[in-house]
Amino acid sequence: QLQLQESGPGLVKPSETLSLTCTVSGGSISSSSYYWGWIRQPPGKGLEWIGSIYYSGSTYYNPSLKSRVTISVDTSKNQFSLKLSSVTAADTAVYYCARHLALSIAARPRWFDPWGQGTLVTVSS
Amino acid sequence: DIVMTQSPDSLAVSLGERATINCKSSQSVLYSSNNKNYLAWYQQKPGQPPKLLIYWASTRESGVPDRFSGSGSGTDFTLTISSLQAEDVAVYYCQQYYSTALFTFGPGTKVDIK
Repeated sequence: QLQLQESGPGLVKPSETLSLTCTVSGGSISSSSYYWGWIRQPPGKGLEWIGSIYYSGSTYYNPSLKSRVTISVDTSKNQFSLKLSSVTAADTAVYYCARHLALSIAARPRWFDPWGQGTLVTVSS
Repeated sequence: DIVMTQSPDSLAVSLGERATINCKSSQSVLYSSNNKNYLAWYQQKPGQPPKLLIYWASTRESGVPDRFSGSGSGTDFTLTISSLQAEDVAVYYCQQYYSTALFTFGPGTKVDIK
């Protein structure tokens, strides 16, 4: 059974870079059928897709965050990572990683399943 | 960008009664080449991550009870819980995957017991 687990600091200072890692277990991140995505949810609010990455490094990013986001993949560790620069209080959220079904690198990514449990990141001095 | 809206914001339904949630996209998510609607539904219980319920607007994910059903096409979609159970208390989100430039979710609909 595939499982995803987010890890990283729970507190980040304004203007600094938020860094999170998602570790995939029970399956290979190098599967040709999936992208791997990051989604966030501010406390009490809805879901916002941040970006997704294929094991080869191909990426999709949310245009509103693209200038501040970098998603990378480490197939040797079965992990993918998120970096979000120049954070503000508006970036405070629960950050989820999830598998993003695509069937191939050229195919249109579809739904997210399964999701990690999420990790709360608070931006505060 | 495809903007997703949902209605109502919240609803309270008696146990065993029907719950109906609506989702509307700002443009059609029906892909003409395969006649599929690029829309999914998720359930999020308090303190938990979202769980996939339905994809292609009406295909139930494996293991999801058959009291959950999805319908609609183009820009208007519905998630129906035919007989509400206590464990269905949650927030429900729709998501479009028609636009690969930006995958977007609806704002969510909270379902409670009356």
